[in-house]
Amino acid sequence: DGGITQSPKYLFRKEGQNVTLSCEQNLNHDAMYWYRQDPGQGLRLIYYSQIVNDFQKGDIAEGYSVSREKKESFPLTVTSAQKNPTAFYLCASSTWTGGDQPQHFGDGTRLSIL
Amino acid sequence: EDQVTQSPEALRLQEGESSSLNCSYTVSGLRGLFWYRQDPGKGPEFLFTLYSAGEEKEKERLKATLTKKESFLHITAPKPEDSATYLCAVHPNAGGTSYGKLTFGQGTILTVHP
Repeated sequence: DGGITQSPKYLFRKEGQNVTLSCEQNLNHDAMYWYRQDPGQGLRLIYYSQIVNDFQKGDIAEGYSVSREKKESFPLTVTSAQKNPTAFYLCASSTWTGGDQPQHFGDGTRLSIL
Repeated sequence: EDQVTQSPEALRLQEGESSSLNCSYTVSGLRGLFWYRQDPGKGPEFLFTLYSAGEEKEKERLKATLTKKESFLHITAPKPEDSATYLCAVHPNAGGTSYGKLTFGQGTILTVHP
């Protein structure tokens, strides 16, 4: 079945450590996205990519980095510069027609601080 | 700045008690309005896309409608399995770097009691 796979489901970060969240899709979608979800808040966009080897900052990109070397993969690194990384991280993908197509989501990675 | 406000924050219904969820939005032109369902610990599941005022979409017990300022998600004769958080998101009809950037509301937590 086509879909979006995020791993791991749970992740723990130590102080000063960088961690990488994986996102893989087999929907043949051009565009991929990373969101952060905090309790009682809407999803906030971290980074997005419309095409391989290109990506743009979202609303809360500070302390995060991404790469898009393959169409299927869009990993997110949470760096030590992100001082409040505890959250639920969601990856999404969509066909790219200017934003009028729905984004489809993976089942998330929950990141906590040790 | 694009804004999306969902109300109520939480809604408790008895099984079979119909009701509506509201999504009010302020956006510089609307390219699309999206409804999602999110179960605890899971990623959002796409339900509907609405593109223009007057449009309606239906799926089982759910019907989404759209006006120029708000959208409603009507739930007819709900069942306990309809319990979830319902999210609304908008995409502005603006070009350039706005493409792909959804603005989400904070969600409505729906609980349906048997």
